[in-house]
Amino acid sequence: EVQLVDSGGGLVQPGGSLRLSCAASGFTFSSYALSWVRQAPGKGLEWVSAISGSGGSLYYADSVKGRFTISRDNSINTLYLQMSSLRVEDTAVYYCAKGQTAAAGHNRFDYWGQGTLVTVSS
Amino acid sequence: EIVLTQSPGTLSLSPGERATLSCRASQSVTSDYLAWYQQKPGQAPRLLIYGASSRATGIPDRFSGSGSGTDFTLTISRLEPEDFAVYYCQQYGSSPPWTFGQGTKVEI
Repeated sequence: EVQLVDSGGGLVQPGGSLRLSCAASGFTFSSYALSWVRQAPGKGLEWVSAISGSGGSLYYADSVKGRFTISRDNSINTLYLQMSSLRVEDTAVYYCAKGQTAAAGHNRFDYWGQGTLVTVSS
Repeated sequence: EIVLTQSPGTLSLSPGERATLSCRASQSVTSDYLAWYQQKPGQAPRLLIYGASSRATGIPDRFSGSGSGTDFTLTISRLEPEDFAVYYCQQYGSSPPWTFGQGTKVEI
């Protein structure tokens, strides 16, 4: 059974940093691209970042480029999102989501984590 | 960036009725790369439809998708109580950003 468990959220001040993790099981981790998708309170879904199965290709939404870094450790089946220079508008539930191929493009999201809440506030 | 516009914003229906949700793209989306998701309060989204018309694993056949180019539709043939939720379309072409529509809420 595919499982994605998101963690690492919390309350952080504007300008601060936070690292999110997504622990995966039930599939061959390195064979699939992964993404982070966020949802601000009461709002819709926004794709944030994606990484290929090998970790060699990285993609970011313009809203987070230069502030967030996606990475993965295929030896321990874990995806990360390092977030820095956080802004109030980054407040959201962050979900990790699995694609169907190793390449980041052409991937719908067939499995999702439960989400972790990031609150940026002073 | 491809902008997806969903309509209506809210659909008020009763169990047993048919629901028709629309998703319009600002530029053509190769039909292989349009998905629909269902989200209930406090839960992660769930993949319903991919490739514009293929049902994901375990999705009941009352859910169907259609369309091509810039106009896509999700149809729920007979609403069950568990179908009342928010529905999002998403395009997932070769290049980022992979965008979502703003959602349609199906309510009783």
